[in-house]
Amino acid sequence: QVQLVQSGAEVKKPGASVKVSCKASGYTFTSYPMQWVRQAPGQRLEWMGWINAGTGDTKYSQKVQGRVTITRDTSASTAYMELSSLRSEDTAVYYCARAAGYSYDPWDYWGQGTLVTVSS
Amino acid sequence: EIVLTQSPGTLSLSPGERATLSCRASQSVSSSYLAWYQQKPGQAPRLLIYGASSRATGIPDRFSGSGSGTDFTLTISRLEPEDFAVYYCQHYDYSTLFTFGPGTKVDIK
Repeated sequence: QVQLVQSGAEVKKPGASVKVSCKASGYTFTSYPMQWVRQAPGQRLEWMGWINAGTGDTKYSQKVQGRVTITRDTSASTAYMELSSLRSEDTAVYYCARAAGYSYDPWDYWGQGTLVTVSS
Repeated sequence: EIVLTQSPGTLSLSPGERATLSCRASQSVSSSYLAWYQQKPGQAPRLLIYGASSRATGIPDRFSGSGSGTDFTLTISRLEPEDFAVYYCQHYDYSTLFTFGPGTKVDIK
């Protein structure tokens, strides 16, 4: 069965970087785009970007562009989201989610989420 | 930029009742790219409806979606105890890419 397993919770200081992993199993990793979204406490979901797991092409939200980098390791069926220059407002649960086919398709499988806390 | 609003913010109902949730877009959008997700506390969201009205795999038929243009609706015909959760609408657009509504919480009356 399809599973997305994310790395564990992180606590970072302002100005630092964080890298969250998302290991996929149960399907052909390179055949589906991977999305990244975050949810700050009590807030709506906020899309961050996606990666074409086959080609490595990426697209980022304007809000985080310049601070976010999404990559993948096809040999490990794992996608990564790195966010730099962290600030307190980046405190959120970060999710990876598989797009159902194309990058604009709905997101049919999700990781369990990774809590990133930014605090001095 | 397309903005999604959802109403009501909270819907207090009893099991067995019908729930009607609204998602409104700031401008006309394609229903092909309108989806609904359910999120329970401490869990990731789950895809319920895509293309405004198609149920995702494994979703019970008490969930239905409808609408077009700027107004979309998620209906839960008879609430089951496991349906009490937060529901988000999502839209994809080639310029703003993915946006989500603020969510509607369905809680037990």
